[in-house]
Amino acid sequence: EPEVTQTPSHQVTQMGQEVILRCVPISNHLYFYWYRQILGQKVEFLVSFYNNEISEKSEIFDDQFSVERPDGSNFTLKIRSTKLEDSAMYFCASSEIDRGSQPQHFGDGTRLSIL
Amino acid sequence: QKEVEQDPGPLSVPEGAIVSLNCTYSNSAFQYFMWYRQYSRKGPELLMYTYSSGNKEDGRFTAQVDKSSKYISLFIRDSQPSDSATYLCAMGSGGSQGNLIFGKGTKLSVKP
Repeated sequence: EPEVTQTPSHQVTQMGQEVILRCVPISNHLYFYWYRQILGQKVEFLVSFYNNEISEKSEIFDDQFSVERPDGSNFTLKIRSTKLEDSAMYFCASSEIDRGSQPQHFGDGTRLSIL
Repeated sequence: QKEVEQDPGPLSVPEGAIVSLNCTYSNSAFQYFMWYRQYSRKGPELLMYTYSSGNKEDGRFTAQVDKSSKYISLFIRDSQPSDSATYLCAMGSGGSQGNLIFGKGTKLSVKP
């Protein structure tokens, strides 16, 4: 069964550094998403992406964050000037054509640890 | 009032029991309702997806949506130790372009 893959599984970074989290969505999916889950808290929406542009973003997704689809298969989340509170699991998800009526499928996440 | 409320448990049941998990919500615009299963250090795995009200059955799993009460349920029949995981409800309105709102998750343990 096709799946969303994310790399790396665990990223350890010094505070203030930049990190790039990578995702390969399911091949025929057109809508891409990033979510995060701080330890012990809910999964929270960050951003959705379609047709090479951001469709929607949450209050969390400020100027520190950016997303990109650099080629036909990868979808990345860049976090600049990382802070301690950025430590969390980051999940990529994708869905098929109609984002409202098709469920999102999630990857296994990248655990980001900021030291 | 929080948008999606879910009892975090933990919930412990013997193997073979029927498990009932539920969520309540406040936003009447929600139209799409999902249940995800999350094992430790893994991503949410889609279990059930329902549009609007009604029931949906898939094997041992049944999802119910009652939009009039703003209440959704997941039933697991003949529960197995492999069902031990955290179960997340999630909802979307479609018009919000796919922004899912999650419950906090219920941790389930099925004892052999």
